[in-house]
Amino acid sequence: DTAVSQTPKYLVTQMGNDKSIKCEQNLGHDTMYWYKQDSKKFLKIMFSYNNKELIINETVPNRFSPKSPDKAHLNLHINSLELGDSAVYFCASSQIAASSYNEQFFGPGTRLTVL
Amino acid sequence: AQKITQTQPGMFVQEKEAVTLDCTYDTSDPSYGLFWYKQPSSGEMIFLIYQGSYDQQNATEGRYSLNFQKARKSANLVISASQLGDSAMYFCAMREPLGGYNKLIFGAGTRLAVHP
Repeated sequence: DTAVSQTPKYLVTQMGNDKSIKCEQNLGHDTMYWYKQDSKKFLKIMFSYNNKELIINETVPNRFSPKSPDKAHLNLHINSLELGDSAVYFCASSQIAASSYNEQFFGPGTRLTVL
Repeated sequence: AQKITQTQPGMFVQEKEAVTLDCTYDTSDPSYGLFWYKQPSSGEMIFLIYQGSYDQQNATEGRYSLNFQKARKSANLVISASQLGDSAMYFCAMREPLGGYNKLIFGAGTRLAVHP
């Protein structure tokens, strides 16, 4: 009973390629997120969707395009991959709540390596 | 400006002893939340404990407790009776309100090593 799942777990690809990472949650949450964790383990939010609507869009190159077909799914497509895109990408989900306890549940991560 | 600061890149503790991992934060919003996550070497992010800014008591969850000092803007994680399985990266995070929604800002993390 995986709460937040991501595919693939590992992704190795060449510079310049286009790739996608998929995320699904079965928790019934309204909000989903993409985070990037760099080689120094620093974790930073990239995007967030609430019920298929983009609500957070941090300073991310426009080669990164999230898509949410429904509130249980959030995909990340990356065009023209660069060496600096190598990182672990985490998907997360939470109940939407304006000012209350709002734990985020994380997926297992996708380790992207760009050669 | 850094909003979440974890000043200890690495910590060591002897098995069965207690350890405190430091976290300070910066916000002008009266309503915020503080989280601690654990990331073992396998890579997953595991939620440990939460403290709301209006909570009167320090949060506790099993061997984890949060030493919340609001005036000093600190939210240190205390792990009692350390176990070998506690060896991991630990991240402090703050929930930052954003137009009715929330986002988490993470600190740089502290790597904890528990020695037998």
